[in-house]
Amino acid sequence: GESVGLHLPTLSVQEGDNSIINCAYSNSASDYFIWYKQESGKGPQFIIDIRSNMDKRQGQRVTVLLNKTVKHLSLQIAATQPGDSAVYFCAEILSGAGSYQLTFGKGTKLSVIP
Amino acid sequence: DADVTQTPRNRITKTGKRIMLECSQTKGHDRMYWYRQDPGLGLRLIYYSFDVKDINKGEISDGYSVSRQAQAKFSLSLESAIPNQTALYFCATGIEGQVKEQFFGPGTRLTVL
Repeated sequence: GESVGLHLPTLSVQEGDNSIINCAYSNSASDYFIWYKQESGKGPQFIIDIRSNMDKRQGQRVTVLLNKTVKHLSLQIAATQPGDSAVYFCAEILSGAGSYQLTFGKGTKLSVIP
Repeated sequence: DADVTQTPRNRITKTGKRIMLECSQTKGHDRMYWYRQDPGLGLRLIYYSFDVKDINKGEISDGYSVSRQAQAKFSLSLESAIPNQTALYFCATGIEGQVKEQFFGPGTRLTVL
């Protein structure tokens, strides 16, 4: 079946460097994508979202890029800080009249080296 | 106070027992969701509800049931728990509209022996 997955399960970066977390999806009909951050012992927390009719969206220190040609989603974190250490999940949503399908990726663990 | 609360936070039970996990929210959201998370895996949707009279199966509903007692309450039941239902369970809320952000509770860690 179709699924959302991640290229790398773990990522270590130096404090101050930029981080890039990748996600591959296979359902070309998905119309909405979200990145979540999950810290140890907590529930996922919304970071940023992007609709399928966009290719880039920026937030505070974060940017999400969507490449529909290769079905790839990425999360860029600028000037990574120790507080960014967490597991990051992408999720794709396919919604329409009377239907709703959400699929999470397996997650990438980001470790920030001081 | 937390906007989305889950009780209990931790539970250990035995195979065959009936278990209910409860979720309450003060955000006034119509939509509520139940997910399970297994080590090394992402979250998987069990059931979701878009309003009090609406209940829908998610990806992995077998072995689970839900009840939407009120807009603010959504409970998940395991009628006869089995060991492979050992997992971290999350409740989430959301609203209909352009932004599909979901707000998650702190999770319930369930262990079935």
